[in-house]
Amino acid sequence: QVQLQESGPGLVKPSETLSLTCTVSGGSVSSGSYYWSWIRQPPGKGLEWIGYIYYRGSTNYNPSLKSRVTISVDTSKNQFSLQLTSVTAADTAVYYCARDTGYGDPFDYWGQGTLLTVSS
Amino acid sequence: DIQLTQSPSFLSASVGDRVTIPCRASQGISRYLAWYQQKPGKAPKLLIYAASTLQSGVPSRFSGSGSGTEFTLTISSLQPEDFATYYCQQLNSYPRTFGQGTKVEIK
Repeated sequence: QVQLQESGPGLVKPSETLSLTCTVSGGSVSSGSYYWSWIRQPPGKGLEWIGYIYYRGSTNYNPSLKSRVTISVDTSKNQFSLQLTSVTAADTAVYYCARDTGYGDPFDYWGQGTLLTVSS
Repeated sequence: DIQLTQSPSFLSASVGDRVTIPCRASQGISRYLAWYQQKPGKAPKLLIYAASTLQSGVPSRFSGSGSGTEFTLTISSLQPEDFATYYCQQLNSYPRTFGQGTKVEIK
């Protein structure tokens, strides 16, 4: 059974860089069958796809966040990470990591989510 | 970007009711649509993909239909555990987008 687990600081100050990590167990981020995504959900609001990384390092980002986002993968640790620069209160959200095949298929496995609050 | 519209945002229903939740895409997406259920404090759970394919382990009272721009999630007989928020998601192109959600509340 594949499991994804997000981890992060919980609180970040405005203008700083947000860094989150997703650790995958029961499967491998090196599998060529899957794409690994970040998705966020502001409190009381809907879901926004942030971007994905493929194990070879190729990425695809939501244009709305592209200038501030970097997603990377560490195959030795079976993890992938999100960095979001110059955060503001609007970036306060629950951040989820998730898996899909990228070929018109849905997100079949999700982490439980981690709340990231931007506040001074 | 492909916009997905879910209306209404809130729906009141009783246990045993047949419930239909619509989702409209701003352009044709063939059958590249998924439905998720989300309960408070939990991650979304995949219910249906390819517009009408039931994910393994999901009760058969859930069904999906549609193609192109009009889609529907149907719950044939609402159960107490089905009170939640439901999101559609398009899988046709990037960026992946979601509808704003329909919350099914107890009447």
